[in-house]
Amino acid sequence: QQQVRQSPQSLTVWEGETAILNCSYEDSTFDYFPWYWQFPRESPALLIAIRPVSNKKEDGRFTIFFNKREKKLSLHITDSQPGDSATYFCAAITGNTGKLIFGLGTTLQVQP
Amino acid sequence: GPKVLQIPSHQIIDMGQMVTLNCDPVSNHLYFYWYKQILGQQMEFLVNFYNGKVMEKSKLFKDQFSVERPDGSYFTLKIQPTALEDSAVYFCASSLGAGVQDTQYFGPGTRLLVL
Repeated sequence: QQQVRQSPQSLTVWEGETAILNCSYEDSTFDYFPWYWQFPRESPALLIAIRPVSNKKEDGRFTIFFNKREKKLSLHITDSQPGDSATYFCAAITGNTGKLIFGLGTTLQVQP
Repeated sequence: GPKVLQIPSHQIIDMGQMVTLNCDPVSNHLYFYWYKQILGQQMEFLVNFYNGKVMEKSKLFKDQFSVERPDGSYFTLKIQPTALEDSAVYFCASSLGAGVQDTQYFGPGTRLLVL
């Protein structure tokens, strides 16, 4: 049973467009949602994260929108660049367990 | 940023043999993790480790699995004996603390193929 779901599985956008990556979850006890990105043959790395007390977190061109009632969040990448091409993982964690629950990932391709 | 290293990057092994996956965590980190990713599936938590002890393990962490970190050396995942279903990418991670907002830094993974 997947506790964290991501869609779409893959996404292609043109340079300059906004890419929207979706994530939903089931467990109401999740209280932190980091997004990791991973380039081919590299380590997953933290990109941006949000806590449920907020409904929006922005960092440059990357913004998380969070809807606690619907248990959904989305990552918006504005002015997409070819260097943003990577796999993006939505993750969730409860309390101080240190146990990250990952989604399957969305592979983003930004075409120049 | 901080780097976690994993050795080897790839390992091919015959079923029934023992394998040790090595992780060199970020130097001042205290919490260590292993995750497993089977091809086409999500990365799944295996185990976390602090102060020489396993804190929590998932149902994926079979009896054949063990972890340790002898003083100042690698954090290791040992599988003995290996089974076909152990074929996966194994990611090591480390963090300074175990708080909700303590970032886990990941290594690039070890791709294990059990034949």
